[in-house]
Amino acid sequence: GAGVSQSPSNKVTEKGKDVELRCDPISGHTALYWYRQRLGQGLEFLIYFQGNSAPDKSGLPSDRFSAERTGESVSTLTIQRTQQEDSAVYLCASSLGQGPDEAFFGQGTRLTVV
Amino acid sequence: AQKITQTQPGMFVQEKEAVTLDCTYDTSDPSYGLFWYKQPSSGEMIFLIYQGSYDQQNATEGRYSLNFQKARKSANLVISASQLGDSAMYFCAMSPLSGGYNKLIFGAGTRLAVHP
Repeated sequence: GAGVSQSPSNKVTEKGKDVELRCDPISGHTALYWYRQRLGQGLEFLIYFQGNSAPDKSGLPSDRFSAERTGESVSTLTIQRTQQEDSAVYLCASSLGQGPDEAFFGQGTRLTVV
Repeated sequence: AQKITQTQPGMFVQEKEAVTLDCTYDTSDPSYGLFWYKQPSSGEMIFLIYQGSYDQQNATEGRYSLNFQKARKSANLVISASQLGDSAMYFCAMSPLSGGYNKLIFGAGTRLAVHP
């Protein structure tokens, strides 16, 4: 596709439910990032995939959060047993992953836990 | 470990004036890249400018320039001739450039308001 695509764009879920967020990166981009952005705040790093290397999961806030990526394509971020503090915009970005190149962002998924 | 610090939570500037948004960083990587992104109220992230740690000259892109001072570990963004459409959040970011590992981390951001 022309850009990074995220779905759904909005998700309202009940506390305790599991949610799955999807990211389709730009074709050919080996690097993929997930960030969390709470209202009015900065981008909190969650996880980074680079090619076939083991992902950098150092930003995942708890074991309720997990992410997978199929090869160099789609990634899913799963949040289990959601809590109200998980409410945020989840942003996905991808880049060529070859030295200094800009990351292209999706429009984000706005998650609201009620 | 990488760290980006933006000490100005909010800034305002008069239209047509220049403004500097501060960014300092900390890294042990010998080679790294520095980025600035703009996030308007619509929420999209817009890439503005890039500076490599070994670049001899400061980067410029139209009205944007990056004041890179390597010894002070600062990478301030200068916006010249501010326009009302420049009102947005601005994020400084950094990525190491070693061994194909390009984890990108962001600062907390600075909210810029341009007044007419």
